[in-house]
Amino acid sequence: NAGVTQTPKFRVLKTGQSMTLLCAQDMNHEYMYWYRQDPGMGLRLIHYSVGEGTTAKGEVPDGYNVSRLKKQNFLLGLESAAPSQTSVYFCASRAWGEATYEQYFGPGTRLTVT
Amino acid sequence: KNEVEQSPQNLTAQEGEFITINCSYSVGISALHWLQQHPGGGIVSLFMLSSGKKKHGRLIATINIQEKHSSLHITASHPRDSAVYICAVQISGGSYIPTFGRGTSLIVHP
Repeated sequence: NAGVTQTPKFRVLKTGQSMTLLCAQDMNHEYMYWYRQDPGMGLRLIHYSVGEGTTAKGEVPDGYNVSRLKKQNFLLGLESAAPSQTSVYFCASRAWGEATYEQYFGPGTRLTVT
Repeated sequence: KNEVEQSPQNLTAQEGEFITINCSYSVGISALHWLQQHPGGGIVSLFMLSSGKKKHGRLIATINIQEKHSSLHITASHPRDSAVYICAVQISGGSYIPTFGRGTSLIVHP
């Protein structure tokens, strides 16, 4: 039981390049989230999904796209990377239902855009 | 204004000291989550609570729903407790999205 995994762990991109971050969970969770974490800003929600085939915007969605084609995977795409997207990205998942609020986080992806 | 406020923002302690980190929130909640993040590391769950008190080893978390306040206590602190501690709340009403505090950075010196 690996929990929540993220690939890659580190990446350096040049401005304008594209990439996809993959989040996978093996806990059969309905809800999945992508956050970015910047110094002094705390965790900010980029996009989230409440089930397979659904996605919704969070607090800071501009410049990112997401897809949830399979329940266990949540992909975050950067179509044209900008230096402002240099950050640490965390994926999280949560089970369905009001009795299970606990979020499980992946190890993070450190992205640098030059 | 953030709906979840943590204090202090930064905390320095000597090994062995008793530490308290506070979290206040301004909305009705269903649950509150304490998380820990070591420098350069991932985010791990410490406690999820909706009432009363929970204890795990040297860590104790309490919540007062009426006062909209939670505390995380660390007894006999150790340098390995040095981390950022994050409070997150689940707002009442079935929201899918937690609201996070900005974290408290703790450094424990030997």
